[in-house]
Amino acid sequence: QSVLTQPPSVSGAPGQRVTISCTGSSANIGAGYDVHWYQQLPGTAPKVLIYGNSNRPSGVPDRFSGSKSGTSASLAITGLQAEDEADYYCQSYDSSLSGYVFGTGTKVTVL
Amino acid sequence: QVQLQESGPGLVKPSETLSLTCSVSGGSISSDYWSWIRQPAGKGLEWIGRIYTSGSTNYNPSLKSRVTMSVDTSKNQFSLKLSSVTAADTAVYYCARGPRPSGFGMDVWGQGTTVTVSS
Repeated sequence: QSVLTQPPSVSGAPGQRVTISCTGSSANIGAGYDVHWYQQLPGTAPKVLIYGNSNRPSGVPDRFSGSKSGTSASLAITGLQAEDEADYYCQSYDSSLSGYVFGTGTKVTVL
Repeated sequence: QVQLQESGPGLVKPSETLSLTCSVSGGSISSDYWSWIRQPAGKGLEWIGRIYTSGSTNYNPSLKSRVTMSVDTSKNQFSLKLSSVTAADTAVYYCARGPRPSGFGMDVWGQGTTVTVSS
């Protein structure tokens, strides 16, 4: 049972905007720990998409953006494309567990 | 650029110890943080633990009693041992660089290796 909760799935038509929430608590996101987002394409290893709440590594399209507020974080994908179909995970640090935690994961489907 | 490659037995018997190694190429393992993560088929990611090249470790509390991580800087490798395995430990195991205290998350991942626990 993860301490970071994400919706199991979100979907959208090509070109639309979708958002994925990551809800935590005062022991992790709310404590100020950074949130990172990973994209996992089918059959491949995860890849960091957003680090430090809102920063994109080089090579990640600016269609992807991250934000954080209070005990939650969000990943937004604008101009949704077929290649964005994947699983997405948030990740942070939890002080009550003294360790790193991943969100429950969200499957993005492009209609 | 840094690349990671996991290696180890793909099949482990129940109650035995799972042993995996991650080889780092394209850069030095020194002065950095390295993690193990696993993913059962069709399920989410679970962080197992992290080691700094000094040998300092942090483990997932739910696995702490069974996990040992080590680093061999002369071979540019780090390793995972998980004892007393059961079928619930069957998963794809990934090694990754990070997380670092300064941020950046886990920015380099291996391709993953499948470990099945079965007699």
